[in-house]
Amino acid sequence: SYVLTQPPSVSVAPGQTARITCGGYNIGTKSVHWYQQKPGQAPVLVIYYDGDRPSGIPERFSGSNSGNTATLTINRVEAGDEADYFCQVWDSNTDHVSDHVVFGGGTKLTV
Amino acid sequence: QLQLQESGPGLLKPSETLTLTCNVSGGSISRGNSYWGWIRQAPGKGLEWIGSISYTGKTYYNPSLMSRVTISVDTSKNQFSLNLFSVTAADTAVYYCARHQDSSGWYYYMDVWGKGSTVTVSS
Repeated sequence: SYVLTQPPSVSVAPGQTARITCGGYNIGTKSVHWYQQKPGQAPVLVIYYDGDRPSGIPERFSGSNSGNTATLTINRVEAGDEADYFCQVWDSNTDHVSDHVVFGGGTKLTV
Repeated sequence: QLQLQESGPGLLKPSETLTLTCNVSGGSISRGNSYWGWIRQAPGKGLEWIGSISYTGKTYYNPSLMSRVTISVDTSKNQFSLNLFSVTAADTAVYYCARHQDSSGWYYYMDVWGKGSTVTVSS
């Protein structure tokens, strides 16, 4: 089955840029989505289709995807961005017989 | 605005069956291009997908849980449900329901989540 690999933790100073990676075989051929989860809360979608932002998500959040790595980038990091971040793909086969949701293991962003 | 709300027992004994229901409000569960799924998170761990269902009843399951899971949908009540059989302490987790969206059918993402339901399995 498809595997997504994230670093367990990333640390960044306020105002700097945080980059969180999500590795997977030929992940550039898939569409990657990103979720932010703060303690005691449900996950929130912050990036979908590699780099699109839902309404209400600041422009500081962006995403890219190429080759074997997808990246979530958070510019001008704020204390409120401290959270766990998860990447996700919908792993499909051509006939949709056994599609799966796959999550990365999550990255704790410390500000 | 679409909202999802999980409901179910907070405490079960080993070998019992966990049944959770996700009530969908503010929109129809029968909307096309949507799947409806269950995700869980054990204490201090990451997100684990359990399975998903369309309003027509087409299901996909996590292979690691497939033998113990069924997901069903009731469009008349605008809700979908999870049954997890023969639970053990390893099934202790927060269980979330979520809507999956995608126009193409190939790249679903989860745009609306419930607040989560805490389930503890203990004798």
